[in-house]
Amino acid sequence: EVQLVESGGGLVQPGGSLRLSCAASGFTFSSYAMNWVRQAPGKGLEWVSSISSGTSSIADSMKGRFTISRDNAKNSLYLQMNSLRVEDTAVYYCARDRLTVLGDWGQGTLVTVSS
Amino acid sequence: QSALTQPRSVSGSPGQSVTISCTGTSSDVGDYNFVSWYQQHPGKAPKLLIYDVSKRPSGVPDRFSGSKSDNTASLTISGIQAEDEADYHCCSYAGSNTWVFGGGTKLTVL
Repeated sequence: EVQLVESGGGLVQPGGSLRLSCAASGFTFSSYAMNWVRQAPGKGLEWVSSISSGTSSIADSMKGRFTISRDNAKNSLYLQMNSLRVEDTAVYYCARDRLTVLGDWGQGTLVTVSS
Repeated sequence: QSALTQPRSVSGSPGQSVTISCTGTSSDVGDYNFVSWYQQHPGKAPKLLIYDVSKRPSGVPDRFSGSKSDNTASLTISGIQAEDEADYHCCSYAGSNTWVFGGGTKLTVL
């Protein structure tokens, strides 16, 4: 059974940093691209970033502030978030990319940016 | 990377059919048959309902169906039930390992 468990969320002040983690199990982690998707309170889903074996992509609004990475030996996905803004407040989900669909999702971790 | 356009809300009585539209551009919905739909109940993670425009994962009832015409995808729920009351999100591959979502549609079962 595929399992994705996010962690690392919490309360941070504007301008601060946070590193999210996603622990994966139940599949060969290194064989799949992985993504971060976020959802602000009461809003829709927003794609954040994607990473495969050799390349990564990030949404324009987060370029220069967010960095995605992975450690295949630890079956883990990460999202380093710097210069956080109030509008970055959201639940952050990690999702497994099955080539044509983001098919498996974790339960999410809440990031709150507030002073 | 503009969001796909969905109606904010739709409603229907039990047993009726409802259709939710999802309009993108020729760079996402119109260019790829990689449109998916997710159901999300309050406080829960999104659940995959439809992928590759019209395919259903194992376990998803056949009253959920998907289609696409040009830049617009649609999700139809036939014979809606009380437990279908939820938010529905569409998603499309947008090239270069990027994805785009719609704003979400709240389905109210009257």
